[in-house]
Formats: sequence, C-alpha cells, structure tokens
Amino acid sequence: GESVGLHLPTLSVQEGDNSIINCAYSNSASDYFIWYKQESGKGPQFIIDIRSNMDKRQGQRVTVLLNKTVKHLSLQIAATQPGDSAVYFCAENERGAQKLVFGQGTRLTINP
Amino acid sequence: EPEVTQTPSHQVTQMGQEVILRCVPISNHLYFYWYRQILGQKVEFLVSFYNNEISEKSEIFDDQFSVERPDGSNFTLKIRSTKLEDSAMYFCASSFVPGLAGGADTQYFGPGTRLTVL
Repeated sequence: GESVGLHLPTLSVQEGDNSIINCAYSNSASDYFIWYKQESGKGPQFIIDIRSNMDKRQGQRVTVLLNKTVKHLSLQIAATQPGDSAVYFCAENERGAQKLVFGQGTRLTINP
Repeated sequence: EPEVTQTPSHQVTQMGQEVILRCVPISNHLYFYWYRQILGQKVEFLVSFYNNEISEKSEIFDDQFSVERPDGSNFTLKIRSTKLEDSAMYFCASSFVPGLAGGADTQYFGPGTRLTVL
C-alpha cells in the first residue's frame, strides 16, 4: 500500500554542523515530494519541493535529493542554526491525486 | 506574504456536540484542504475542495464531517457529533492548482485549530 515513512524519529546535531533527514516512500506513482517543517504549536511550513523528473534541488541552506530507484528522499540542512530545531515531515503526492501523504516526522534538535 | 489563517486556535467541546472550524485560504488559491494531526502522529489528509464541491476525501472523512465555502473567503469544516477520537489539530491548506495531470502545486498550511473533545 502507499506509505511514506522516516527512518529516524529523532536527530541531534551541533549548531553549525550539517544535518541529513531521510525519508522512504513506497508509492511508485508519486511524482511530487515536499519537505515541511513544523515548529511546536504551528502548522507545517513549506521548505522545499522536488518533482520526479529531478534528482536534486537546492534552496537556501537546504537541498533535497530524490532517488527514485530506491524510493528515497532526503533533506540536507547546511550550517544548522537553533531556529532549525523542529519536526521535519516529508510528504508525497501521487500524480492525478490531490492529497498529500505525510511521513511520521523526524525531530531535529540543534545543540548549542 | 499571504498566509492561511484559521480560527479558533483552540476549541474545547463536549462529546456529541457540533463544531465548526474556520479557515481563510490564500486569496487567489482555488483548491482547499483539511488535514488533521492527532497528538504525536503524522498529518493525515481529510478532504479536498474545488469549485464548491468535494474533489477527494479519505476514509476518515465520514458522514459526521462536512465542508463548505459559505462565501468568497471562508472555508469551513463541520463535525456534526464530535467523538473523543476527533481530538486533534486540524489544519487547513490551500493551493493555486491541485495535484492533477498538470502537475502538483505547493499546499500552504494554516496554523491549525486544536480541537479537544471532552
């Protein structure tokens, strides 16, 4: 069945280090992927997205990598800051569908 | 920067009561969504809405739920007879276009309404 999941529920990194958050998906019909950041008590905030015709996309301090062969998605955050502490969700969208299917989330903690 | 807004931020209700959660999507967006997040769990899709009708819904969205766009700006989710298990954060989202053949578009989320059913 369709599912989007995350390998690690928690991740702690030192401020200034780079972090990588991973996500596995199982729906081969998914062609659009999004990373959201959720801070405590707030709604999911869009970070970056990627379509299935791409392998990599870069934003400001963030990079998303998509490996369709193994159905794997990752979010790299460079030079982490305290404000990066949050729960990060990957979400997928199947071509032709409207809903987003979210993964479980990874809690990223930036240590000073 | 335009954003999705939701009211109230927190709603407490008794089991069996009706609640209406309100959302104002981003003004030029055409597609509207409701999701929910039970505490500590992932975000789950409930329903999508376009052109004044439901375009997609999940198995969670049963007959106790309904959505409406009563005017040009508001989008509401009604739960007819709340149950304890309806306690969750409810997020409204909107996008300019949906995830159809023309390609998906980003869904922007509101801050959520925390619903507590006692």
